[in-house]
Amino acid sequence: AQSVTQPDIHITVSEGASLELRCNYSYGATPYLFWYVQSPGQGLQLLLKYFSGDTLVQGIKGFEAEFKRSQSSFNLRKPSVHWSDAAEYFCAVGGGYQKVTFGTGTKLQVIP
Amino acid sequence: EAGVAQSPRYKIIEKRQSVAFWCNPISGHATLYWYQQILGQGPKLLIQFQNNGVVDDSQLPKDRFSAERLKGVDSTLKIQPAKLEDSAVYLCASSLDRGRGPKETQYFGPGTRLLVL
Repeated sequence: AQSVTQPDIHITVSEGASLELRCNYSYGATPYLFWYVQSPGQGLQLLLKYFSGDTLVQGIKGFEAEFKRSQSSFNLRKPSVHWSDAAEYFCAVGGGYQKVTFGTGTKLQVIP
Repeated sequence: EAGVAQSPRYKIIEKRQSVAFWCNPISGHATLYWYQQILGQGPKLLIQFQNNGVVDDSQLPKDRFSAERLKGVDSTLKIQPAKLEDSAVYLCASSLDRGRGPKETQYFGPGTRLLVL
């Protein structure tokens, strides 16, 4: 069965610092990978997705993620964090016509 | 373009009571999803509709949960009777149906936060 692990429950970074959120997945074939962001009281918003091709994916709000098949990882990065990036981030995996499975999320706190 | 609408936004009930949630997807989106998000966990798919039909309800506790999508547009999710462990945020999402399966972007509503006492 497919699964996603987000090892960091909570991360704190200073505004302007770089960010990397970790995501490891388990899936038998080539996965579809997603990163979503959830602000308090809001639904989830898609940041970026990977299906195939270039393993470095650019998303909205200045985020990017890199698919590394050998490490079963799809880490999310941003070179300079803004206070408005404080939210919860979810990694998700899907494939074929199987439903998307979400990780447990990483809460990002940004300090001035 | 209007997003996915959900109501109510908050609901507090006592265990064994019933509750219903409503979702209006983005216009033209044939696929509709209901997710349960328990505190500290990621969203879990409860049921997926494609137009009027159910595509996946394998994780729906059918002894107490039911959902319908009449006319292929709005949907309601019902819990009867509610248990303490049903306390969660219930998210509705919708997507276009272009035969791309999970590749299709899902657009989420703000959710309904349910507290069962």
